[in-house]
Amino acid sequence: GQQVMQIPQYQHVQEGEDFTTYCNSSTTLSNIQWYKQRPGGHPVFLIQLVKSGEVKKQKRLTFQFGEAKKNSSLHITATQTTDVGTYFCAGRDYKLSFGAGTTVTVRA
Amino acid sequence: EAGVAQSPRYKIIEKRQSVAFWCNPISGHATLYWYQQILGQGPKLLIQFQNNGVVDDSQLPKDRFSAERLKGVDSTLKIQPAKLEDSAVYLCASSLALIRNTEAFFGQGTRLTVV
Repeated sequence: GQQVMQIPQYQHVQEGEDFTTYCNSSTTLSNIQWYKQRPGGHPVFLIQLVKSGEVKKQKRLTFQFGEAKKNSSLHITATQTTDVGTYFCAGRDYKLSFGAGTTVTVRA
Repeated sequence: EAGVAQSPRYKIIEKRQSVAFWCNPISGHATLYWYQQILGQGPKLLIQFQNNGVVDDSQLPKDRFSAERLKGVDSTLKIQPAKLEDSAVYLCASSLALIRNTEAFFGQGTRLTVV
């Protein structure tokens, strides 16, 4: 069955620095979605990627879908304290399966 | 627009007891999901409904977990009997349809502690 893996599990970032988190699926996906979960909160949808090689930007966040539609990445530039939380990718075929997430902490 | 409603927010039970969670999805959302999220892990899909039919329940421990979505709207998830390892947050989510390009909206979750 479909499995979605994310690395790294934890990312400790100095405020103002950039970082990237990666997502890999064992199967080809129809689309991939990214969610953010703040501490104590529930996952909130960020974005969806559908096309092979697609790149989307949301302010300081850049999302990319691989050419084979089996991997994705999230790059955050100039990290701020508001970026704290866990970022999940979720792969969709007929069901929506989440990765383990990357938990981001920021030191000022 | 009202969000996904879940109740209760918190529940503490002893092992071997039973418990039930309730979810009311966003109006008009045909797809409903139940996820289990253990502390420090990603949400694990337990069951996915399309209207009142089951799309996937491959990770639902059917010897103790059951779920239903009567009339294709509200849903309940039951655990009987509970084990210590069932301690987790149970998240309900809904999306507009099984059409793949739709986002999932999550409820606040029910935090279950089994002692």
